[in-house]
Amino acid sequence: QVQLVQSGAEVKKPGASVKVSCKASGYNFIGYVIHWVRQAPGQRLEWLGWINAGNGNTEYSQRSQGRVTLSSDTSANAAYMELSSLRSGDTAVYYCARVSAMVLFAFDVWGQGTLVTVSS
Amino acid sequence: EIVLTQSPGTVSLSPGERATLSCRASQSVRSGYLAWYQQKPGQAPRLLIFGASSRATGIPDRFSGSGSGTDFTLTINRLAPEDFAVYYCQQYGSSPRTFGQGTQVEIK
Repeated sequence: QVQLVQSGAEVKKPGASVKVSCKASGYNFIGYVIHWVRQAPGQRLEWLGWINAGNGNTEYSQRSQGRVTLSSDTSANAAYMELSSLRSGDTAVYYCARVSAMVLFAFDVWGQGTLVTVSS
Repeated sequence: EIVLTQSPGTVSLSPGERATLSCRASQSVRSGYLAWYQQKPGQAPRLLIFGASSRATGIPDRFSGSGSGTDFTLTINRLAPEDFAVYYCQQYGSSPRTFGQGTQVEIK
């Protein structure tokens, strides 16, 4: 079945970087766009950006621009989100999500989430 | 940036009752690109409604969405025990994509 499986929880120190993976299966990976969203404790969902898995085109939110780097590896059917210069406010669950024209580009399939904890 | 404001913050209802959730946008949502998601503790959001009123695959018909422009509604008829969760609206017609702060539907 169609699914996105993300890498496991991470604990990082302030100033470090983290790279979260999102492995796709059950569909043609290069034909879709993957978005990244995070959810800090008690906060609303925050959109970080998207990557076209096939051609690598990206768009970032203004807030994430400069610290978030999205990439994809078509040979591995995987997308990646790297966040640098981590601070305590980056502690959150990070999700990848697929968009599909079948649902007018809403987010129809989500990864299970990856908890990133930033603590000294 | 389009700001989405959901109301109420929390609603307490009994199984079998109807839930009416509101999502108001600070600007008109382009082409009705408004979605609703359900999230349960420890789980990822799940797509319920896209295009303001279309149900996603496998979503029961007790869930319905309506609205256009800046005012949208999610209605859940005859609440089932598994429907008690947090619901988020999202606009995806313009960047940045934004989400509402959520409405918790809790058991009365």
